[in-house]
Amino acid sequence: GAVVSQHPSRVICKSGTSVKIECRSLDFQATTMFWYRQFPKKSLMLMATSNEGSKATYEQGVEKDKFLINHASLTLSTLTVTSAHPEDSSFYICSGTGGSTDTQYFGPGTRLTVL
Amino acid sequence: SQQGEEDPQALSIQEGENATMNCSYKTSINNLQWYRQNSGRGLVHLILIRSNEREKHSGRLRVTLDTSKKSSSLLITASRAADTASYFCATDARNYGQNFVFGPGTRLSVLP
Repeated sequence: GAVVSQHPSRVICKSGTSVKIECRSLDFQATTMFWYRQFPKKSLMLMATSNEGSKATYEQGVEKDKFLINHASLTLSTLTVTSAHPEDSSFYICSGTGGSTDTQYFGPGTRLTVL
Repeated sequence: SQQGEEDPQALSIQEGENATMNCSYKTSINNLQWYRQNSGRGLVHLILIRSNEREKHSGRLRVTLDTSKKSSSLLITASRAADTASYFCATDARNYGQNFVFGPGTRLSVLP
């Protein structure tokens, strides 16, 4: 199957700082990328959908000014958590779809801890 | 409430037994996908079944879809300890105004 990478896999930051997470599709062109967050032992919650070259569409309740998403190319999307707070601590997972398939291919996730 | 809801929430079986997990949803869908997640890791796609399909197989996995009941099931036959993971269903209802929605998942434990 297609491969999606995320970087970093784990990040610890201080409250008030910003953190950028990268999501790359390594062997396919991801026309659409999704960002999810997952709390411990919980399911995934879709945060936003981004199509290459256009603004992300955020789900209800997700602050677009806090979670900045950029999908600059068909292989790269970034999520920046601005002015992070401890409640932003979570597991963030990206996925991409592309070509003729509806299948989402997921990255390995990034564990964010805000102190 | 969530679009996709799995039951049971947790399932514990012996190696060699079959495991069945169910997923219910509320709206019309384009397709339904099953994923597996090992603890603290990303998700691995297992099977995608389209709304006009009723059953799909992949190795030891069998997925059924009943659109009249808005439900799907995932059967893992001859389970192995390595199958221990959380299993999620996700509905793709983008043609019906709703993006991917994941259910709460079923935590499967396969005991050796």
